[in-house]
Amino acid sequence: GAVVSQHPSRVICKSGTSVKIECRSLDFQATTMFWYRQFPKQSLMLMATSNEGSKATYEQGVEKDKFLINHASLTLSTLTVTSAHPEDSSFYICSASGGAGNTIYFGEGSWLTVV
Amino acid sequence: QQQVKQSPQSLIVQKGGISIINCAYENTAFDYFPWYQQFPGKGPALLIAIRPDVSEKKEGRFTISFNKSAKQFSLHIMDSQPGDSATYFCAASKETSGSRLTFGEGTQLTVNP
Repeated sequence: GAVVSQHPSRVICKSGTSVKIECRSLDFQATTMFWYRQFPKQSLMLMATSNEGSKATYEQGVEKDKFLINHASLTLSTLTVTSAHPEDSSFYICSASGGAGNTIYFGEGSWLTVV
Repeated sequence: QQQVKQSPQSLIVQKGGISIINCAYENTAFDYFPWYQQFPGKGPALLIAIRPDVSEKKEGRFTISFNKSAKQFSLHIMDSQPGDSATYFCAASKETSGSRLTFGEGTQLTVNP
């Protein structure tokens, strides 16, 4: 089946620095990718929707200047957390659609810890 | 507001029993209803999905029942196993929204041996 890969799976960064998370669709072209944030024992919170070649659409309350999303190709989207702070520590998950039946597949997630 | 309400929040079942998780939605424009299984520290994995043109879909031990008039759908796990212990999320989307999923709150399932 379709596979969506995220990298890195875990990252620790210092407060004030920026960190980039990659999301790749490995065997299909993803016209749309989604970025979620998940806190422990909670549901997934949609942060933004990105379409290849255009600006991302952010959900209400998500700072677009802090969470930079780039979807430069049909197989790659990146999320950059800029000037990270400890409260940005979370589990970030991407998903992609565009495979057979337009099914939505999720990546394995990336744990971000800001110290 | 587009919402999907999921219950119960947690569920404990004995091995071999049936696990039932329920979801209700509000937006009648939703036309795709997937269920995802998530293990700790991992991303959600698509388990099974249904579209509103059918009332039931079965894949192995997993069955979705769909009631369009009641705007409800449920996941049944037959012969539940300890390996099924995970968090389960229902979701809904409408194709015209570009597959944007609205998630339920999640159900933490524990299957005791």
